[in-house]
Amino acid sequence: QVQLVQSGSELKKPGASVKVSCKASGYTFTSYAMNWVRQAPGQGLEWMGWINTNTGNPTYAQGFTGRFVFSLDTSVSTAYLQISSLKAEDTAVYYCARGCTGGVCPHYWGQGTLVTVSS
Amino acid sequence: QSVLTQPPSASGTPGQRVTISCSGSSSNIGSNYVYWYQQLPGTAPKLLIYRNNQRPSGVPDRFSGSKSGTSASLAISGLRSEDEADYYCAAWDDSLSGRWVFGGGTKLTVL
Repeated sequence: QVQLVQSGSELKKPGASVKVSCKASGYTFTSYAMNWVRQAPGQGLEWMGWINTNTGNPTYAQGFTGRFVFSLDTSVSTAYLQISSLKAEDTAVYYCARGCTGGVCPHYWGQGTLVTVSS
Repeated sequence: QSVLTQPPSASGTPGQRVTISCSGSSSNIGSNYVYWYQQLPGTAPKLLIYRNNQRPSGVPDRFSGSKSGTSASLAISGLRSEDEADYYCAAWDDSLSGRWVFGGGTKLTVL
């Protein structure tokens, strides 16, 4: 069965960086897109963008350029989200979500990683 | 504010049928498929409906989706206490070089 297992919660100070991992299993990693979605405390879902797991080409949504980087290690079927120069407003749960067949649409979701930015 | 508009809350009693609406525009719902997600408290979202009205394996047929023009609806029949959750609609939006957009979410309370 498809599984996406994300790394654990992180507590970071403003200005630091964080790297969240998302390890996939149960399917061919390079055959489906990988999305990243943010959910701030008590708020809705916000699409951050996606990465083509076949080519490694990332696409970032408006508002997620510059400090956000999507990357892959296909040898271990893992996608990464790195956020630099962290701000308090980056505090949120970050989800990876595998795309659907032939598209970006988020289908299977990881359990989420809480990133807390606080001094 | 979200690109797709949902009512912030909905409610119903066990056994009742409830619907949740989702309003968009020609660049998203009007020209692309609609998806619905269920997020139970403290858990990750789960795909409930894809391509307007298709259910993934394992989703009960109590859940159904429909689309008309630039609006869509999620219907839940035979409401159960375990259906209490947040529900999000979503679609691809053709503007801004293409992006995935979500509704603001609807909190469903089972009274």
